[in-house]
Amino acid sequence: SQTIHQWPATLVQPVGSPLSLECTVEGTSNPNLYWYRQAAGRGLQLLFYSVGIGQISSEVPQNLSASRPQDRQFILSSKKLLLSDSGFYLCAWRVFGKSREENTFGSGTRLTVV
Amino acid sequence: QQQVKQSPQSLIVQKGGISIINCAYENTAFDYFPWYQQFPGKGPALLIAIRPDVSEKKEGRFTISFNKSAKQFSLHIMDSQPGDSATYFCAASTASGSRLTFGEGTQLTVNP
Repeated sequence: SQTIHQWPATLVQPVGSPLSLECTVEGTSNPNLYWYRQAAGRGLQLLFYSVGIGQISSEVPQNLSASRPQDRQFILSSKKLLLSDSGFYLCAWRVFGKSREENTFGSGTRLTVV
Repeated sequence: QQQVKQSPQSLIVQKGGISIINCAYENTAFDYFPWYQQFPGKGPALLIAIRPDVSEKKEGRFTISFNKSAKQFSLHIMDSQPGDSATYFCAASTASGSRLTFGEGTQLTVNP
């Protein structure tokens, strides 16, 4: 079965510090991978998605970046965090086609920038 | 054209009642319409999904109704239970698209 691992679950970081959130997927090959951010009580904002190793599409210009060094690994990074980077970060994978659709979210990382 | 508009923003229903959440879209190329359920502090989980070749899909107490001509789809939760209290998101994507477009979410509260 397909599983997605996302860590850490919670993180408190000072303004200006770096960030690295990691997401790994098991049980599927060549999935699309996604990073979303969710502000409290709000919807899902797509930050980055990747259709393959080294292929990253950015949806929102900001001080965050993403990388996909391996097929099943997706990393969200920042060199210097801002207060506005606080939120709930979700990794997701998706495999889709005419007769198949699978989409799973990780359990999320609650980031508080202080 | 990529937006999916969801309503209401919040909904309060009595136990045993019917919860109805609506979504509307503009992009006629969308051909996959899932609904997600999210509990506080957790990631969204796929609840039920429909493709436009059918007008209704039912799984247990959850039903999606799809109106292609009106470009609308809705989630019906029959016999709503307090355990259904969560945030619900509709979404849409195209066959060739790699991204899902999400609605803004509906916070459902089912009172006992």
